[in-house]
Amino acid sequence: GENVEQHPSTLSVQEGDSAVIKCTYSDSASNYFPWYKQELGKRPQLIIDIRSNVGEKKDQRIAVTLNKTAKHFSLHITETQPEDSAVYFCAAPLVSGGYNKLIFGAGTRLAVHP
Amino acid sequence: EPEVTQTPSHQVTQMGQEVILRCVPISNHLYFYWYRQILGQKVEFLVSFYNNEISEKSEIFDDQFSVERPDGSNFTLKIRSTKLEDSAMYFCASSEVAGSGEQYFGPGTRLTVT
Repeated sequence: GENVEQHPSTLSVQEGDSAVIKCTYSDSASNYFPWYKQELGKRPQLIIDIRSNVGEKKDQRIAVTLNKTAKHFSLHITETQPEDSAVYFCAAPLVSGGYNKLIFGAGTRLAVHP
Repeated sequence: EPEVTQTPSHQVTQMGQEVILRCVPISNHLYFYWYRQILGQKVEFLVSFYNNEISEKSEIFDDQFSVERPDGSNFTLKIRSTKLEDSAMYFCASSEVAGSGEQYFGPGTRLTVT
């Protein structure tokens, strides 16, 4: 089945710096890769996603890159702000069962210090 | 913007009791999901549901668990005989299309089993 590995588990940056979180997946047939942001005590919130037919997608200060050959995808946050502090999860769908099962990474706790 | 809603926000129950967690998915969505998140850990898939039947379930979703769409708006998760290890945050999610479509999460129900 699908296995999603996420690194690092914690990341501390100064405000204004960039942050990069990396994930690898095992199922080469996976075709959709979302990123979720979860603030303390809140729901996971979809912030950006990428499909396997593109290599990069950008939305203001957030970008995601996908390398299908290496089976990894990354989240890039530029000009970080204190409100970016949260736990970030990557995910990928399990191909069997009609892609109806999202497998999540273990999460990265991002701390942005003013 | 439409959102997934869940009730109750917090449920305390004694071991062995039955609980029902309720969700109202986004109205035009056709795919529904339950996830579990033990405190401080990653989000884990439990079950997906489409066209009034389960389409995929995880090894966590054993005979103690069941799901139902009792009417046109609600989607429920029942745990028949709760165990201490069922204590977690339970998130409902919905999507317009199958797993490679965006899944939107509800605010969660914190289940505490004593």
